[in-house]
Amino acid sequence: EAGVVQSPRYKIIEKKQPVAFWCNPISGHNTLYWYRQNLGQGPELLIRYENEEAVDDSQLPKDRFSAERLKGVDSTLKIQPAELGDSAVYLCASSFWLRQGSSYNEQFFGPGTRLTVL
Amino acid sequence: GNSVTQMEGPVTLSEEAFLTINCTYTATGYPSLFWYVQYPGEGLQLLLKATKADDKGSNKGFEATYRKETTSFHLEKGSVQVSDSAVYFCALKKASSYKLIFGSGTRLLVRP
Repeated sequence: EAGVVQSPRYKIIEKKQPVAFWCNPISGHNTLYWYRQNLGQGPELLIRYENEEAVDDSQLPKDRFSAERLKGVDSTLKIQPAELGDSAVYLCASSFWLRQGSSYNEQFFGPGTRLTVL
Repeated sequence: GNSVTQMEGPVTLSEEAFLTINCTYTATGYPSLFWYVQYPGEGLQLLLKATKADDKGSNKGFEATYRKETTSFHLEKGSVQVSDSAVYFCALKKASSYKLIFGSGTRLLVRP
């Protein structure tokens, strides 16, 4: 079974340029997450989708970041314009989340996109 | 608020040495606790988990016990291998929530 796929794996851009990251989750997973992982830190959630709906985007800097998951499958995260402080690894994860109950639905992570803003 | 604190790395060990990576947490109620591992160039993988006090999670020779009295979830392995070299993240999740809260990670380097 294929895991979470992300592209590109690496991206180097100059500040003020736009950049986009793509994620294809595990087949059948209805929930998709974007995380940002700064150097030497753990991942922090940016946005969570249930199917096409962004159910938690409270940590997404909406002035420059946007995301979409139009058909409830793959997703794109965009930054426009990028700033030096956006240099980080952007991780995508997916899970099959059941609304009922509180049992943990394991999140499966992709390899990430390492962004360097010069 | 909820948070996770891990020992700083890197932790450098010789092959077959005993490993302990400390993790403590701050949270209300009874969170679930996790250890994730990130091998070079790969995404995070769930290593083990525990959902209630005194539970022991184990996988691939790694173990961690949920200690509510000390709010800890230390990771241990009796004999590390070179292939265990990776970054290890401790994380918590509140009950009925999807949100994972990660520590800052501990890099383990095992030398032959």
